[in-house]
Amino acid sequence: QVTLKESGPVLVKPTETLTLTCAVSGFSLSNVGMGVSWIRQPPGKALEWLAQIFSNDERSYSTSLKSRLTISKDTSKSQVVLTMTNMDPVDTATYYCARYAVATDGFDIWGQGTMVIVSS
Amino acid sequence: QSALTQPASVSGSPGQSITISCTGTSSDVGRYDYVSWFQQYPGKAPKLMIYDVAYRPSGVSHRFSGSKSGNTASLTISGLQAEDEADYYCSSYTRSSTYVFGTGTKVTVL
Repeated sequence: QVTLKESGPVLVKPTETLTLTCAVSGFSLSNVGMGVSWIRQPPGKALEWLAQIFSNDERSYSTSLKSRLTISKDTSKSQVVLTMTNMDPVDTATYYCARYAVATDGFDIWGQGTMVIVSS
Repeated sequence: QSALTQPASVSGSPGQSITISCTGTSSDVGRYDYVSWFQQYPGKAPKLMIYDVAYRPSGVSHRFSGSKSGNTASLTISGLQAEDEADYYCSSYTRSSTYVFGTGTKVTVL
């Protein structure tokens, strides 16, 4: 069974750096054609794609947030980490990690999400 | 990258068919057949319903179908059921090698 689970702080202060971890199971981050994306959703608003890392370590970032984001993976730990610098209250959202599979060209399995609140 | 445009809400009676549109540009929806649709219940994670414009993952009801014409993709739900009441989002791969989601549509079963 494929699962993804996000973890990280619930509350961060403005200007701080957010670090989120996505622990995956049921597949390997080295599997060809697999990747993991981070996607967020502010309360009551739409989904927003943030970043993706592939099994070959290829990375891509949201054009508008690229300067603030870094995605990395630790295959041995089955973890994908997203860091976002200079957090602002508008970054308050539920952050999801989702598996990308070439077989579906889509985000086929999602984590439950983790809520992050940015407030002083 | 601007979000794909979806109607804010669509409603229908049980048994009816409804269609949700998703309008992008020639740099995303119009350029690639990499359009997906997701269903999201309140407080829950999205679920993949359609990928590559018109393909259903295993386990997704045949009542859900997808299509595309030019820069606009569509999701049709046939034989509408109470359990279909949820938010629906489209997404597309883009020319910038990124992904973009739609603005979201709330489906109400009357």
